[in-house]
Amino acid sequence: RKEVEQDPGPFNVPEGATVAFNCTYSNSASQSFFWYRQDCRKEPKLLMSVYSSGNEDGRFTAQLNRASQYISLLIRDSKLSDSATYLCVVKRTGGYNKLIFGAGTRLAVHP
Amino acid sequence: DAGVTQSPTHLIKTRGQHVTLRCSPISGHKSVSWYQQVLGQGPQFIFQYYEKEERGRGNFPDRFSARQFPNYSSELNVNALLLGDSALYLCASSDMNRGTEAFFGQGTRLTVV
Repeated sequence: RKEVEQDPGPFNVPEGATVAFNCTYSNSASQSFFWYRQDCRKEPKLLMSVYSSGNEDGRFTAQLNRASQYISLLIRDSKLSDSATYLCVVKRTGGYNKLIFGAGTRLAVHP
Repeated sequence: DAGVTQSPTHLIKTRGQHVTLRCSPISGHKSVSWYQQVLGQGPQFIFQYYEKEERGRGNFPDRFSARQFPNYSSELNVNALLLGDSALYLCASSDMNRGTEAFFGQGTRLTVV
């Protein structure tokens, strides 16, 4: 079993739709949580950090449930430019920082 | 300010050869990590270096090695290349003292034929 699991998609949605991505992680020692966005053949870029209290950045809302070891990302009012792969990432510290990535969920927003 | 820079951007090598990939972190960042991303997968951790010392190593064979220089730039070396080493190799820099996010370079796309 992979340490970070995501639905690979693809999610094909029309502009303006609301779409939700889910992610589970297996190691309870994981300490920090993130969503990264990766465009085709480009490097991953941090979209947002994820906190237990939930956090929002414009049309994006992220939520962490430590008890269930579950992370979510909600995108409202999808834009064409949101088309990308969304990577769920956990970080374990303790001597060094290691980012553990899920395989990514592909989103395609169409007109 | 320049971001993380990696060179070369693309590379084609033959099985059995070795390769050296280079990374320059963001100015002021002393930590460099290397990741391998094969097609359809998320990046996988290979190494982390901080202050020129190896601080962490992922589950990769000894054919993979790295080092960090006094100016905090880093090299990733892979010996005896296999077809399965074909991937996007990503370098990330961070300021561990501030606990900031990791910033990735554009990557080196390695193809082994």
